[in-house]
Amino acid sequence: EIVLTQSPGTLSLSPGERATLSCRATQSVSSSYLAWYQQKPGQAPRLLMYATSNRATGIPDRFSGSGSGTDFTLTISRLEPEDFAVYYCQQYGNSPGSLTFGGGTKVEIK
Amino acid sequence: QVQLQESGPGLVKPSETLSLTCSVFDGSISSYYWSWIRQPPGKGLEWIGYIYYRGNTNYNPSLSSRVTISVDTSKNQFSLKLNSVTAADTAVYFCARDAGVLRFLGYMDVWGKGTTVTVSS
Repeated sequence: EIVLTQSPGTLSLSPGERATLSCRATQSVSSSYLAWYQQKPGQAPRLLMYATSNRATGIPDRFSGSGSGTDFTLTISRLEPEDFAVYYCQQYGNSPGSLTFGGGTKVEIK
Repeated sequence: QVQLQESGPGLVKPSETLSLTCSVFDGSISSYYWSWIRQPPGKGLEWIGYIYYRGNTNYNPSLSSRVTISVDTSKNQFSLKLNSVTAADTAVYFCARDAGVLRFLGYMDVWGKGTTVTVSS
């Protein structure tokens, strides 16, 4: 099973600042199968990015994704008040049952 | 815009079977893969498994001995059964749609709001 480790666990930033979130895998992940989600309290996750660097429908361009192999990054260029939330990376592998989420990074207001 | 809605008992006794249904509205269950994901209180997300509208399934190995996911295309619904539950199965359970049409892309673009299931006597 591919384990995804997200860091930091919590990121304390101010609106307008840049956020850089890391997702590291224990084995190589196809860039086609790496996604990011945003989750706010009491809500379902929302798809942000798919195939590493593609924004989902309606996602503003301040969100960007990059990476390959075992290291992936989600960047929020300038934090807006609505961006404070928990972010999860997720991968899908070819072997049966291989869909896993990272533990999440909470982006909180400093 | 397709919408998903989970339904089922909010309280299940230990050792019994958790049963949930996801109804698909304003869209067809056909042509897609459908997943169940859960989130224990205060914790992260765990994928349980998926089903294709034709009935093919794929489960998380850690849960596969206890999980059954089924589909009813005539009702535009799919269901989850998790047997022999314990307190560790207490979670919010989400249903979700894979973004691929007639193929599995591995990411989920439509989610239900989730339903809380507590395992307790």
